[in-house]
Amino acid sequence: DGGITQSPKYLFRKEGQNVTLSCEQNLNHDAMYWYRQDPGQGLRLIYYSQIVNDFQKGDIAEGYSVSREKKESFPLTVTSAQKNPTAFYLCASSKLAGGRQETQYFGPGTRLLVL
Amino acid sequence: KNEVEQSPQNLTAQEGEFITINCSYSVGISALHWLQQHPGGGIVSLFMLSSGKKKHGRLIATINIQEKHSSLHITASHPRDSAVYICAVVGGSQGNLIFGKGTKLSVKP
Repeated sequence: DGGITQSPKYLFRKEGQNVTLSCEQNLNHDAMYWYRQDPGQGLRLIYYSQIVNDFQKGDIAEGYSVSREKKESFPLTVTSAQKNPTAFYLCASSKLAGGRQETQYFGPGTRLLVL
Repeated sequence: KNEVEQSPQNLTAQEGEFITINCSYSVGISALHWLQQHPGGGIVSLFMLSSGKKKHGRLIATINIQEKHSSLHITASHPRDSAVYICAVVGGSQGNLIFGKGTKLSVKP
């Protein structure tokens, strides 16, 4: 079955620790995205990538880093510089047609909690 | 002011009722999405539309580009429709999604 997988479902971070959230897709989509969701707020874009080995900052990139070494994978690292990391993190992917994104498909999400 | 506004924020309905969720936006867009988020957190795309109306089962989505407004209708609502419904527009300089805060729908049996 094609789809997007995220792991782990829950992740706990200690103070000063970097943690990495996994996102994999087998939909052969060019573009991948990371969003953060906080209670009472809309999803906010952290980073996105439209092609391997290239990625762009979104609206709230500070304290996060990404890599796109393979088309299928777009891991997100929450660094110790992110002072308020507790949130629900969603990964998504989409085809690009003529440079424009089509429908985005979302993963099941990872809930990050700080100990 | 948020670029994408949804109303109502919360909605409780009885099973069988006709439901309308509204979305207004203030930016130029190329398309608008309606998404459904279940309590577990997973998000499913319901519709992507840039004009007119689309229908899928009991769900209907409409958009009025001139008025910068879209509605999501659910006919014959059912408790399994209980979820958060999110409006998102394709806009901005990079053509990325801009999300509303969502409408939490609860359908009582």
